[in-house]
This record gives sequence, C-alpha cells and structure tokens, in this order.
Amino acid sequence: DTGVSQDPRHKITKRGQNVTFRCDPISEHNRLYWYRQTLGQGPEFLTYFQNEAQLEKSRLLSDRFSAERPKGSFSTLEIQRTEQGDSAMYLCASSFGQGEAGELFFGEGSRLTVL
Amino acid sequence: KNQVEQSPQSLIILEGKNCTLQCNYTVSPFSNLRWYKQDTGRGPVSLTIMTFSENTKSNGRYTATLDADTKQSSLHITASQLSDSASYICVVSSGGDKLIFGTGTRLQVFP
Repeated sequence: DTGVSQDPRHKITKRGQNVTFRCDPISEHNRLYWYRQTLGQGPEFLTYFQNEAQLEKSRLLSDRFSAERPKGSFSTLEIQRTEQGDSAMYLCASSFGQGEAGELFFGEGSRLTVL
Repeated sequence: KNQVEQSPQSLIILEGKNCTLQCNYTVSPFSNLRWYKQDTGRGPVSLTIMTFSENTKSNGRYTATLDADTKQSSLHITASQLSDSASYICVVSSGGDKLIFGTGTRLQVFP
C-alpha cells in the first residue's frame, strides 16, 4: 500500500495521559499536514511540514501539542496531558509541491477518545 | 475573514436520483477549489481540483462547477448510488499552503 498511513487508528486514554500518533506519508511527498476533525465539522489545520521543517503552526496547537518530522519522512504528533476536549479525529495528509499546495492525500485518521 | 460555507448541511435522497451540493466562499486571494468525499470514520478523498479558469470538471458521476465571479461552486452527483453516502467537503486554496475547509454536506442515499 503506497498511501498515507496513520497509527494507531483508535486510541482511548484517560485524561492527563500523553498520546503519540504517527503518520507515514507517500514516500515522494515533501509536504505533510496535520488536521483535527470533530464530529460534523470539517478538518481544522494544526501544523504543516515541508521536508523536516515545521513551517506553520495553528493557534489551535497549544503548548501541549508538539509535532516532529525528524528526517523529512514520517511524522509524529504528541499530545501531553490530554484533556477531554482533545477527543477528535487526527488526520494526516501529504502532498508534493513547492509553491502551491498540491493535491492532498489523506490518511485514514487516528481517532482519539479521552475519558 | 476567509470562509467557506456549504449547503445544505445534510441531504437525503433516493438511490438513482441526482443531487447538487453548494459551496460559497469568501476567500481572497483565490487559487483553487477542491471537493473531497469523506466516508464515515475515514480520511477525505479528493474528487476534483478546479483553478480560476476552469468552469466545470467531471470525475465519473461527479461534476463540479465553479463561478469565480460570484464565488460559488457546486458538486452535482448523477444517478446516485448507496456508496455515495458520505460527507462532501469543499476546500478553497488561498495560495501557498492556505487551505480553508468547509464544514461539509452530509449526504445519505437510501434504496
């Protein structure tokens, strides 16, 4: 499978715990995006990487959130001290492009439930 | 403020019928407009990408139109199938990496 893969697909955790999600983009894609989506809403932008550089972060990304893409390949999104409001689907997308955002290919998402 | 609004919020149709979903945007500058299909619990899948100069674009039974003057787009689904049941999300690119997502239209197709 050469699509975008995310792991885990589902995560249930207790409030206050840390969680980490992983995203493996399509191999030749230089851009990687993280979005958060709650029920009945469209995806909300969290952060974006071009190669290993994190070029933009949304104000939605509080200090408890951190994302990395250490070698310009896979990426991780960590949420520390989870809160119930963090419950959502976390979507990763990748694309290839230099200027304009190319066609985005999304993963299946990682659904987080914070109890 | 850059915004993308979609209507209706939800729609129920019978299998075999046609339907049209609407997208109005107030995004400037405008670069392109995209339609995505998102099955429940899955990631969005691209249907079409339309630039300023394109008025219509088809992908099988899906046809998207764009009127850049009125800042409106529509997605027309012909001869709907049960598998068309999904959320359809309109996304407008403001250039570079700025993508503004609509909240989607939830379509349910019943037999």
